[in-house]
Amino acid sequence: GDSVTQMEGPVTLSEEAFLTINCTYTATGYPSLFWYVQYPGEGLQLLLKATKADDKGSNKGFEATYRKETTSFHLEKGSVQVSDSAVYFCALIGKNTDKLIFGTGTRLQVFP
Amino acid sequence: DAGVIQSPRHEVTEMGQEVTLRCKPISGHDYLFWYRQTMMRGLELLIYFNNNVPIDDSGMPEDRFSAKMPNASFSTLKIQPSEPRDSAVYFCASSLTGLGAGGKLFFGSGTQLSVL
Repeated sequence: GDSVTQMEGPVTLSEEAFLTINCTYTATGYPSLFWYVQYPGEGLQLLLKATKADDKGSNKGFEATYRKETTSFHLEKGSVQVSDSAVYFCALIGKNTDKLIFGTGTRLQVFP
Repeated sequence: DAGVIQSPRHEVTEMGQEVTLRCKPISGHDYLFWYRQTMMRGLELLIYFNNNVPIDDSGMPEDRFSAKMPNASFSTLKIQPSEPRDSAVYFCASSLTGLGAGGKLFFGSGTQLSVL
């Protein structure tokens, strides 16, 4: 079945460092891909999405590009802030379904 | 809008007791989802509803779990009897339209369940 694999955390960075969180997927056809963020004590929020190959989703300085050839959707940010500390989830949804499948999440810790 | 509202925020109970988690979706949203989050298994979809009708309950772990949606503004997830391995954060989420059609998912703040 469809699945999402994320790099394990925690990822620990200093403020203003470059961030990459890897995500790869397995799916039949061409799914839509998402990154969600979960701040402490809160539910998940949609961060960005891409619905077809080569699309780039972006929001709040975060970017991810839908790479069909490598089945990847890596999350990047050029300069992280302490306020970016959270758990980040990669997710996909296949065609003709309403089931959003999540990766296990990657905790990001940013220190001043 | 108040967003998706879940209650209680925290629940501590003893093994064998019945537990009921509650969710009020965003008004007008046709889809409601129940997820469970644990360290070991991450986020798992338990069940989802469309227009109050259960569409897919294949993620419900066993017969001890049941979910209902008696009307468009209320859903419950019940565990009877509860077991320590049910300890997790349970999230409710809703969307205006189907996720496959581009709908956006909105999450509640979750219920932290601890079964002793």
